[in-house]
Amino acid sequence: EVQLVQSGAEVKKPGESLKISCKGSGYSFTSYWIGWVRQMPGKGLEWMGIIYPGDSDTRYSPSFQGQVTISADKSISTAYLQWSSLKASDTAMYYCARSYGGYDYWGQGTLVTVSS
Amino acid sequence: DIQMTQSPSSLSASVGDRVTITCRASQGISNYLAWYQQKPGKVPKLLIYAASTLQSGVPSRFSGSGSGTDFTLTISSLQPEDVATYYCQKYNSALRIFTFGPGTKVDIK
Repeated sequence: EVQLVQSGAEVKKPGESLKISCKGSGYSFTSYWIGWVRQMPGKGLEWMGIIYPGDSDTRYSPSFQGQVTISADKSISTAYLQWSSLKASDTAMYYCARSYGGYDYWGQGTLVTVSS
Repeated sequence: DIQMTQSPSSLSASVGDRVTITCRASQGISNYLAWYQQKPGKVPKLLIYAASTLQSGVPSRFSGSGSGTDFTLTISSLQPEDVATYYCQKYNSALRIFTFGPGTKVDIK
């Protein structure tokens, strides 16, 4: 069974760093792109970027380029999304999803709250 | 950068009604278009990919059509469990860019 399991909810202060994770199982992790999607409270889905764990080829939405870093560790079938300095406006639910003709499997989401 | 629009932004229909949602790309995207359903408080779910291919396990009352710039998602007979927000997403296989539309909220009248 294909599964993407994300790390738990986080509460951080502005200026802090954060790295959240997405662990894949039940399929060949290195053979499918993994994307990240932001959903701010009460808002729509925003595509952030995508990584191919096989060779770490990474693409970013222009809206998120330079704001976040996407990475992967294929040895442990895990993709990451990280921030070096969080802002209150980063408060959102973040989803990872496997890309295969659209995003066919999704993680359960990681809620990130940034508040002083 | 290719932009995606959806119409309407929201709609209210009766159980059993035929519902159509439109998605438009600012430039041609061939058939690289997916549709998702997101119920309140839940994870998005893939309904259709390649504009018209139904994802496994999705009820046959959902269908998609279109190519180029104009696409539609149709629910042939709206059911109470279809209350959700529906998003289109364009994907560029070569550039790996996956922009979402703004969403269409569907309610029961």
